[in-house]
Amino acid sequence: SAVISQKPSRDICQRGTSLTIQCQVDSQVTMMFWYRQQPGQSLTLIATANQGSEATYESGFVIDKFPISRPNLTFSTLTVSNMSPEDSSIYLCSVTTGSGYTFGSGTRLTVV
Amino acid sequence: TQLLEQSPQFLSIQEGENLTVYCNSSSVFSSLQWYRQEPGEGPVLLVTVVTGGEVKKLKRLTFQFGDARKDSSLHITAAQPGDTGLYLCAGEGSNDYKLSFGAGTTVTVRA
Repeated sequence: SAVISQKPSRDICQRGTSLTIQCQVDSQVTMMFWYRQQPGQSLTLIATANQGSEATYESGFVIDKFPISRPNLTFSTLTVSNMSPEDSSIYLCSVTTGSGYTFGSGTRLTVV
Repeated sequence: TQLLEQSPQFLSIQEGENLTVYCNSSSVFSSLQWYRQEPGEGPVLLVTVVTGGEVKKLKRLTFQFGDARKDSSLHITAAQPGDTGLYLCAGEGSNDYKLSFGAGTTVTVRA
């Protein structure tokens, strides 16, 4: 299965600022997914990122708030823009390689 | 709205006891997956079940997929403290590879 390196692992940010989260995969993958996991809760899909096309966002998530880049088949970034305390959460990237889904270790974001 | 209803939400048992976690849905999925997540880490895939009625065993863990491919269960025999974690079920869509997660079951196994 693929190995994902996600960073930063955690950050504390001021409200109104932006944070960019990076995910690097050790193999080429077509689809990458970004999830949010609020404290004590399950995972909610934010968007699907395919190389060479715009990301597809789920209901309740918009590109202006969560812009995504996918410059090649091994890398993607998610930016959390104009942050507020409600954005405090764990953000995870994920890929599927046909033998299952692999997740990054997550970015724990705290907005103060 | 969660497509997958997972129960119970919390489970605390003594080492050596058995436990079962349930995952139910009104939707049919192409596959259903079970993950375990520890604090500070992403979910780790335990098993994928694809065929209705399928039963898979992974050491002390037994996974079942319902005949209609809408529900699943995870049974742990003789639980150990190392089994402590958040257990998540997730259904994979037939056409888009998206995963829909259940709310999760926090399992605590006391020594």
